[in-house]
Amino acid sequence: QSVLTQPPSVSAAPGQKVTISCSGSSSNIGNNDVSWYQQLPGTAPKLLIYDNDKRPSGIPDRFSGSKSGTSATLGITGLQTGDEADYYCGTWHSSLSAGEFGGGTKLTVL
Amino acid sequence: QVQLVESGGGVVQPGRSLRLSCAASGFPFSSYGIHWVRQAPGKGLEWVAAIWPDGNKKYYVDSVKGRFTISRDNSKNTLYLQMNSLRVEDTAMYYCAKYTSSWDYWGQGTLVTVSS
Repeated sequence: QSVLTQPPSVSAAPGQKVTISCSGSSSNIGNNDVSWYQQLPGTAPKLLIYDNDKRPSGIPDRFSGSKSGTSATLGITGLQTGDEADYYCGTWHSSLSAGEFGGGTKLTVL
Repeated sequence: QVQLVESGGGVVQPGRSLRLSCAASGFPFSSYGIHWVRQAPGKGLEWVAAIWPDGNKKYYVDSVKGRFTISRDNSKNTLYLQMNSLRVEDTAMYYCAKYTSSWDYWGQGTLVTVSS
């Protein structure tokens, strides 16, 4: 069981918007920054969002992140078929000195 | 550009050992923490271990404590994971990842299969 809870799957039509939630607790998300990763089929994970809401260079502004309390959210607008992937949230649990990931969410673009 | 290249994976029997390596380039290796993250077939990501830039601090997920050892050679820009007493449940793709405030760069992974 993952410590961070994500919905197993989400779906939306091309051009639409989707959000993926990541729920934790005061001991992980509540006190640590959240990052988001995209894993396309057969490839390594790729950083999408760091420090809750920041995008690395090269990541389109269609991807956004937010955090409130013990939950975080990844938003994707203008969905494309190429966005079909697994998405993971992650955080460094500073008091446990351990990394934690959500169980992953499979995005289907219908 | 940042590159992380894992090697050392393979098929091994339960109870045996394996050492993974992660060769880094394109950034000042000795200035960053590096982590191992694994992914069992068809499953999600699982953080495994972390080592601080100077190698003085090391952290592990409970399931590998006492069996796995993370280390690094900053003179060779290389990270290691010594895996002993391997179990069937250790079967996974193992990724090394550079860590800043997030896992910002990942290698392509090396597959470890533990099977009799």
